[in-house]
Amino acid sequence: KQEVTQIPAALSVPEGENLVLNCSFTDSAIYNLQWFRQDPGKGLTSLLLIQSSQREQTSGRLNASLDKSSGRSTLYIAASQPGDSATYLCAVTYNFNKFYFGSGTKLNVKP
Amino acid sequence: DTGVSQDPRHKITKRGQNVTFRCDPISEHNRLYWYRQTLGQGPEFLTYFQNEAQLEKSRLLSDRFSAERPKGSFSTLEIQRTEQGDSAMYLCASSHGGNEKLFFGSGTQLSVL
Repeated sequence: KQEVTQIPAALSVPEGENLVLNCSFTDSAIYNLQWFRQDPGKGLTSLLLIQSSQREQTSGRLNASLDKSSGRSTLYIAASQPGDSATYLCAVTYNFNKFYFGSGTKLNVKP
Repeated sequence: DTGVSQDPRHKITKRGQNVTFRCDPISEHNRLYWYRQTLGQGPEFLTYFQNEAQLEKSRLLSDRFSAERPKGSFSTLEIQRTEQGDSAMYLCASSHGGNEKLFFGSGTQLSVL
């Protein structure tokens, strides 16, 4: 059974801090991994997609890394801002027909 | 490109009633997914379409759930004889290709009383 785990479930940091969110998956034969942001009561917004052949992707203050062999990915957020407060989810796919999501990390950035 | 649209945004129904949700994907996207999400959990896969063909359906879905995507454009998800356990956010997503980003709609929040 494919499982995706995200630790921690919640995180509170002061503004300006750099932070790392973690995602682990049980089966390493993924095709790709995506990181999403979800604001309360809203849909998900894809932030970064890492294909299985890639090691990392960057977009602005966000950097996501992928280590397939260990079944892990990290999302690094630099210089956090209150507007970064949201739930961050990761998802993996093994055949593009279905994506498996973690339960997310709820981030609160305090001004 | 207006994004993925879902209608309605909210639906309140009584137990035993049937409900239908609609999803309009981004126009050039041939892949369409339905997910269900409850509070504090990640989205749970329901079903997947490539163009008009329904290629995968969750074994968790009972026969009360059915989805269609006529002509490979919009999609509908119907729940018959709703139960309180069906209360959740129903999310639709689309993508242009398998190795491309998923675009989600804002979801339909279902409350079954």
